[in-house]
Amino acid sequence: DVKVTQSSRYLVKRTGEKVFLECVQDMDHENMFWYRQDPGLGLRLIYFSYDVKMKEKGDIPEGYSVSREKKERFSLILESASTNQTSMYLCASSTNPGLLNTEAFFGQGTRLTVV
Amino acid sequence: AQKVTQAQTEISVVEKEDVTLDCVYETRDTTYYLFWYKQPPSGELVFLIRRNSFDEQNEISGRYSWNFQKSTSSFNFTITASQVVDSAVYFCALSGTIQGAQKLVFGQGTRLTINP
Repeated sequence: DVKVTQSSRYLVKRTGEKVFLECVQDMDHENMFWYRQDPGLGLRLIYFSYDVKMKEKGDIPEGYSVSREKKERFSLILESASTNQTSMYLCASSTNPGLLNTEAFFGQGTRLTVV
Repeated sequence: AQKVTQAQTEISVVEKEDVTLDCVYETRDTTYYLFWYKQPPSGELVFLIRRNSFDEQNEISGRYSWNFQKSTSSFNFTITASQVVDSAVYFCALSGTIQGAQKLVFGQGTRLTINP
């Protein structure tokens, strides 16, 4: 079974802190994604990566950055956490960049609260 | 631009009732894929089905069925004889390509509650 593992289920951070959300997948997938999920807004794409050291902005990249130093690991960084970044963050991976029909596999999510 | 709309924010039914979740999409691509995902209370999205833009046949898998109509840009999901375990948030998604990589665009989600 494909496994996408996010390092924390729940996090509480203070405003202004630098926050790292970690995601690891074990199926050698090329694509990795970070989404945030908010009520009424569904899942919105923050950043994605289709190869090591490659990254592309999604729909809402402001206030975030990412790092992909190894194929299996994709980190989301909140440079200076703010209360409007309180949300559920979901990591996903999929194989074969450019093929539209591959489903994405998701981690269990990290619920981040910024106080 | 690609967009997915799930107009039903929340649905609540009694167990054993049939329920349909609506999904309407917008895309200019001629080749695309549509997906349904289930998000149970545990939080992890689970893939349910994929349908490509050239295949308008309905699909049935046990109590689940999907109706794809290209003419109305809809991809609706029906659960027959619902069960409490079907309670979850359901997402419809559309697949497109940006700079050679697959990108999924999700709808807002429908929270389905099945009451015993």
